[in-house]
Amino acid sequence: QKEVEQNSGPLSVPEGAIASLNCTYSDRGSQSFFWYRQYSGKSPELIMSIYSNGDKEDGRFTAQLNKASQYVSLLIRDSQPSDSATYLCAVNNFNKFYFGSGTKLNVKP
Amino acid sequence: EAGVAQSPRYKIIEKRQSVAFWCNPISGHATLYWYQQILGQGPKLLIQFQNNGVVDDSQLPKDRFSAERLKGVDSTLKIQPAKLEDSAVYLCASSFDRTINYGYTFGSGTRLTVV
Repeated sequence: QKEVEQNSGPLSVPEGAIASLNCTYSDRGSQSFFWYRQYSGKSPELIMSIYSNGDKEDGRFTAQLNKASQYVSLLIRDSQPSDSATYLCAVNNFNKFYFGSGTKLNVKP
Repeated sequence: EAGVAQSPRYKIIEKRQSVAFWCNPISGHATLYWYQQILGQGPKLLIQFQNNGVVDDSQLPKDRFSAERLKGVDSTLKIQPAKLEDSAVYLCASSFDRTINYGYTFGSGTRLTVV
């Protein structure tokens, strides 16, 4: 079983819609959770972090964490074509980072 | 604040040749990481340094990969001899300390193609 699981996609949404990206993790002891965005040919860039159950909002991005279900999600409101990228979920488990394989998001104009 | 610097950006080598990558972390960052990202996969940690000591190298193929971090600043990752399956992007990242609750920043990476 992989530490972090993501649907590879692609997830296609029309411009202006809400994109919902999901991630599950296997170790209940994981302490912190991150979303990275990776454009094709570029390195990952950190966009959100979340440590407690519930929602955390930053601009158009909302991260949601449910530790009981071992589930992390990222919502992107008012999706733009510039949001088209691969989104990587990362989990910190005792100072070891585990990345999922990423979900490819396509936002259609 | 300058970011994590890596070089070269691209490298093409033949199998069985050797190659080395260089990383300069953000100033003052004690922890440095090397990741391997194969196309279509998430980054996989190869080795983690705390200052110039190795914290975790459990996923480093030690028969062909080596890494060092002299004086606790710059780091070099070497592959000798390279195999076709080593074709990947090699990413370096750094953080202030080992408690990575705030995530960390990646360098631009080195894309290695082994032919």
